[in-house]
Amino acid sequence: EAQVTQNPRYLITVTGKKLTVTCSQNMNHEYMSWYRQDPGLGLRQIYYSMNVEVTDKGDVPEGYKVSRKEKRNFPLILESPSPNQTSLYFCASSLVAGGTGETQYFGPGTRLLVL
Amino acid sequence: DQQVKQNSPSLSVQEGRISILNCDYTNSMFDYFLWYKKYPAEGPTFLISISSIKDKNEDGRFTVFLNKSAKHLSLHIVPSQPGDSAVYFCAASGETSYDKVIFGPGTSLSVIP
Repeated sequence: EAQVTQNPRYLITVTGKKLTVTCSQNMNHEYMSWYRQDPGLGLRQIYYSMNVEVTDKGDVPEGYKVSRKEKRNFPLILESPSPNQTSLYFCASSLVAGGTGETQYFGPGTRLLVL
Repeated sequence: DQQVKQNSPSLSVQEGRISILNCDYTNSMFDYFLWYKKYPAEGPTFLISISSIKDKNEDGRFTVFLNKSAKHLSLHIVPSQPGDSAVYFCAASGETSYDKVIFGPGTSLSVIP
């Protein structure tokens, strides 16, 4: 089954404790992206990757890191989480970059609470 | 400033009636528009799209209308079903693969049996 998986689905942590949210896709997609969803703000892009070893900042990259060492995996790293990073996070992938109306496939989401 | 706006945070419709979800955008360079649907505890899923060279696209019960001069698009669901209850995100992107996809804040649709 074609899918995007994320782990963990729910996470409660404390300020400053490094964490990683994993994302994996099995569709051989080149493009992967991380979004956060906040009330009234919709989905905002954090980082994206056009292909292996090619990553770039989205609209809200502060406090986040990513890496793309393999095509299928695109982990999101919070080196020192803060309460304003409490949010619902989605990983997404598409065959090519998201412009030109390319459909993105989303993971199930990770709900993060930073105390 | 939000480039893609969905001014109705929520909408309630009776089963069998038409649901109309609206979306406005500010960037005239947007070339593609997409609607995604999201159920609770799931990720968004693609629903329907339209390119700027068209003014209408249909897929079963779902039709998207685009008015470029007004920078406005709408999603019509006819007839509405309880299973359509979800959050609907409008999204827009430019004409190149390097253009980002910009999402609106979403509209929560409730279809009442």
